[in-house]
Amino acid sequence: QSVLTQSPSVSGAPGQRVTISCTGSSSNIGAGYDVHWYQQLPGTAPKLLIYGNSNRPSGVPDRFSGSKSGTSASLAITGLQAEDEADYYCQSYDSSLTGGGVFGRGTKLTVL
Amino acid sequence: QLQLQESGPGLVKPSETLSLTCTVSGDSISSSSYYWGWIRQPPGKGLEWIGSIYYSGSTYYNPSLKSRVTISVDTSKDQFSLKLSSVTAADTAMYYCSRRRKTTRYFDYWGQGTLVTVSS
Repeated sequence: QSVLTQSPSVSGAPGQRVTISCTGSSSNIGAGYDVHWYQQLPGTAPKLLIYGNSNRPSGVPDRFSGSKSGTSASLAITGLQAEDEADYYCQSYDSSLTGGGVFGRGTKLTVL
Repeated sequence: QLQLQESGPGLVKPSETLSLTCTVSGDSISSSSYYWGWIRQPPGKGLEWIGSIYYSGSTYYNPSLKSRVTISVDTSKDQFSLKLSSVTAADTAMYYCSRRRKTTRYFDYWGQGTLVTVSS
């Protein structure tokens, strides 16, 4: 039932830069609503990684950055590390989901 | 430090009602700045918002589940609860409780999650 589209997987070698994309529509990202990103390490709950398109919560390394343009958003990870291997989810607001949010299906990042 | 903890049965029979409670500690649930929500994740799949509640008792549900979901709040205990009726195997999932900021609309704190299996 995901309304936000993400590539299923992405991979990169240690030290490299990878980007994860998230595409929405005119009722969510394209309507001007912010995009947020979550990191889910294996066997753990999702953790807020980026909020408000490009802001990092305290404790999140500056290797993680986010951007938004039109109906899409991107998460970039530079200086890839083994511990970055996780699932990454984008989330936005949709006018049909007051009080909640809409998530992407997630992107599995593999560090080679 | 805010903490959320889910509790409830890990096994529910088909057609019965799934019931979970989330206990909030480290802050009061009676804040005007947040919604308190439930999100689930079927094994190997993505995240799905189920519904949220405001401290006043106002509720908001995902339209796809609305007919089967009830969320309630007990501010005296800093708890909120989820009931999902007429469950099937498709409702088998990890269930997370979470806090969502009202105006900026992101989920900033999550519980560790509880796995609920629907099986006879």
